[in-house]
Amino acid sequence: EVQLVESGGGLVQPGGSLRLSCAASGFSFSTYEMNWVRQAPGKGLEWVSYISSSGSTIYYADSVKGRFTISRDNAKSSLFLQMNSLRAEDTAAYYCARQLFITMIPVANGAFDIWGQGTVVTVSS
Amino acid sequence: AIRMTQSPSSLSASTGDRVTITCRASQGISSYLAWYQQKPGKAPKLLIYAASTLQSGVPSRFSGSGSGTDFTLTISCLQSEDFVTYYCQQYYSYPRTFGQGTKVEIK
Repeated sequence: EVQLVESGGGLVQPGGSLRLSCAASGFSFSTYEMNWVRQAPGKGLEWVSYISSSGSTIYYADSVKGRFTISRDNAKSSLFLQMNSLRAEDTAAYYCARQLFITMIPVANGAFDIWGQGTVVTVSS
Repeated sequence: AIRMTQSPSSLSASTGDRVTITCRASQGISSYLAWYQQKPGKAPKLLIYAASTLQSGVPSRFSGSGSGTDFTLTISCLQSEDFVTYYCQQYYSYPRTFGQGTKVEIK
């Protein structure tokens, strides 16, 4: 079964740090581009970060640039999000998401076809 | 960043109704658009990609259309499990951006 499982969420004080993990199974993780998406309580979806299959290309939302770091370990089929200098507005459910890849259909490549169940991060004193 | 604007933000309908949700991009994105369904407390689920291609396993009552800046998601015959929230997303450029969501409620 193709699956993504996040972990590492919890309660942290403002200014603190947290490292989220996303364990992939059931597919060849090293060939897929990956993303983090978050959702504040009662709000919509916000894309956070992207990493290419090799890890050589990375993008961030302006709201987290300079504070969050995305990385991956293809040997362990794992994706990570290191979150530093956390703020109250970072409180959200964080999802890892696989990027769709269909060789012969370029316009398909980029949608998020597999999502984890989410891990909740609460930033509060 | 490309702004995605969904309308309406919410709608009321009955089982069996046909409903249409609109998504407008602030600049042209060709067909690099996806639609997601999200049930309360759950992760989003991909319904449609490339503006009109149904993801495997998604019921055929869902359909998408559009190109450029204007897109629609249509549910042809609402079922009870469809009364949830829907999001559009552009994947034409970074940062990826989502619409604000449309909640489909029971009339």
